[in-house]
Amino acid sequence: EDQVTQSPEALRLQEGESSSLNCSYTVSGLRGLFWYRQDPGKGPEFLFTLYSAGEEKEKERLKATLTKKESFLHITAPKPEDSATYLCAVQDPRLELVFGKGTKLTVNP
Amino acid sequence: DAGVTQSPTHLIKTRGQQVTLRCSPKSGHDTVSWYQQALGQGPQFIFQYYEEEERQRGNFPDRFSGHQFPNYSSELNVNALLLGDSALYLCASSFQGAYEQYFGPGTRLTVT
Repeated sequence: EDQVTQSPEALRLQEGESSSLNCSYTVSGLRGLFWYRQDPGKGPEFLFTLYSAGEEKEKERLKATLTKKESFLHITAPKPEDSATYLCAVQDPRLELVFGKGTKLTVNP
Repeated sequence: DAGVTQSPTHLIKTRGQQVTLRCSPKSGHDTVSWYQQALGQGPQFIFQYYEEEERQRGNFPDRFSGHQFPNYSSELNVNALLLGDSALYLCASSFQGAYEQYFGPGTRLTVT
């Protein structure tokens, strides 16, 4: 059974304080690993897709990396507007997305 | 370019009633997936529709059913509502089910 575990559950940072979110996964035949951002009461917003170990992608202050067992979302010099829940999901050969519970990030000014 | 749209935004129903939620996919997408998200949890896969057929199904009872129309839009139907069905229902669209899935804003269902 596919499993995704995200840590920490919640993270509080000061503006400008860089950190990383972790996503550990087990899946039979990884088709892709996805990162989404979700604001309260809204649908997840697509951020990145990673397909193979060693791949990295960047967008503004965010950088996602992938190994064979986990992915990291690095946040450099975060701003208060980066506050949100960050969701990680894996896609298996059935094309179903299996999500973790998310990391709730709060960035204080 | 219109993204994924869902209706209604909010819905309040009574236990035992039936509900229909609607989704229009992003332009160019032909596959629609439905997810249920309880408070504080990640989305859980309900099912996926492609070429007007249910292609995959998650661990949800038969009370949850769906449909996809020739224009790729989709409906999610839930019968005999339970209090535990209260959640945010998310629709996601993609091209042939592969690659990125783009989510709509969701429908907040409250069952009283």
